[in-house]
Amino acid sequence: AQSVSQHNHHVILSEAASLELGCNYSYGGTVNLFWYVQYPGQHLQLLLKYFSGDPLVKGIKGFEAEFIKSKFSFNLRKPSVQWSDTAEYFCAVSGSSNTGKLIFGQGTTLQVKP
Amino acid sequence: EAGVTQSPTHLIKTRGQQATLRCSPISGHTSVYWYQQALGLGLQFLLWYDEGEERNRGNFPPRFSGRQFPNYSSELNVNALELEDSALYLCASSSYRNSPLHFGNGTRLTVT
Repeated sequence: AQSVSQHNHHVILSEAASLELGCNYSYGGTVNLFWYVQYPGQHLQLLLKYFSGDPLVKGIKGFEAEFIKSKFSFNLRKPSVQWSDTAEYFCAVSGSSNTGKLIFGQGTTLQVKP
Repeated sequence: EAGVTQSPTHLIKTRGQQATLRCSPISGHTSVYWYQQALGLGLQFLLWYDEGEERNRGNFPPRFSGRQFPNYSSELNVNALELEDSALYLCASSSYRNSPLHFGNGTRLTVT
């Protein structure tokens, strides 16, 4: 079955701490991978995406993610978080053949303490 | 650019009624997607419209339907509402197939 699993439901960090949010997927075939972020009171926004090429992908606001095909993982990282990174983070996968369907993880709520 | 707009923001219906939710994509985007975000279930794919045609649907009963108009805006209709249909319904659009989705703020549907 196609699925995305995010390891942590709720993460609390202090400012300047490093962040790593886990994401594993189950999907047959070639995949496209995404991280979306939802800041309080705002809509879902694309943080970064991986379609092909360099497995280390850099996104907005200093975030990056690494696609490890052998581990079916696409973990999100940031070296030093800020209070403004407080948000909910969603990992998502789609197949490279277009079905219009994104499969989302359950989301991880990140709370950064000032 | 103006983002994806959805209306209404909130909608309260009683069980058995019909609900109509509307979505305007970003200008130039031809694909519209609908997702349901129910408590505890995460974001679930509902429907995909592209160039006026339904291209794919998720694992939802036929009482969830919709359409896409010539101006690429879209409507989601939910018939015979059930209590478990209470959720945030998100619309997204994209400019070409397989490009990243841009989401609206959603319509919060409450069924009593």
